[in-house]
Amino acid sequence: DGGITQSPKYLFRKEGQNVTLSCEQNLNHDAMYWYRQDPGQGLRLIYYSQIVNDFQKGDIAEGYSVSREKKESFPLTVTSAQKNPTAFYLCASSKTSGRTYEQFFGPGTRLTVL
Amino acid sequence: SQQGEEDPQALSIQEGENATMNCSYKTSINNLQWYRQNSGRGLVHLILIRSNEREKHSGRLRVTLDTSKKSSSLLITASRAADTASYFCATDELGGFKTIFGAGTRLFVKA
Repeated sequence: DGGITQSPKYLFRKEGQNVTLSCEQNLNHDAMYWYRQDPGQGLRLIYYSQIVNDFQKGDIAEGYSVSREKKESFPLTVTSAQKNPTAFYLCASSKTSGRTYEQFFGPGTRLTVL
Repeated sequence: SQQGEEDPQALSIQEGENATMNCSYKTSINNLQWYRQNSGRGLVHLILIRSNEREKHSGRLRVTLDTSKKSSSLLITASRAADTASYFCATDELGGFKTIFGAGTRLFVKA
């Protein structure tokens, strides 16, 4: 089955810890994205990558970091510099960035700071 | 920055009724998409309408686009309880590489 997976489904972080959220796709998509969603809100773009070994900051990149060493993988690290990280994190991929292609979303990771 | 804004924020209807959601945006676009999100899940793509199209259908979904008013509407006909979800519009700006999502309309269909 082709698709996009995220792990873990739930993640708990202590103050001052860095945590990494996994995102993997086997759709052979070039572009990948990370979004943050707060309760009752829309999606805000954290980072996006149009191609391997390249990524761009989105609207709320502060306190987050990413890497894109493989086409299939786009992990997101939430660093201790992110002051309010409790949220629902969604990863997505598309054939190419923006333009005319739909995005395919993973099931999300819910991060809670203890 | 938030490009699309959905209206209403929430909508409650009876099963069998039609549901209409609206989206307004600010800048010129390549295309506009509608997505659906069930509670606590990822988004699912519903339909894409290009800037040179005015109307598009997919099953019980009908989407219109008015680029002169910078607005779009999503109509779900003969709604079902299973249509209960949040619906988001998303736009791709001309010359841009990002898709920008609105805050969504929460639809509740009562059986």
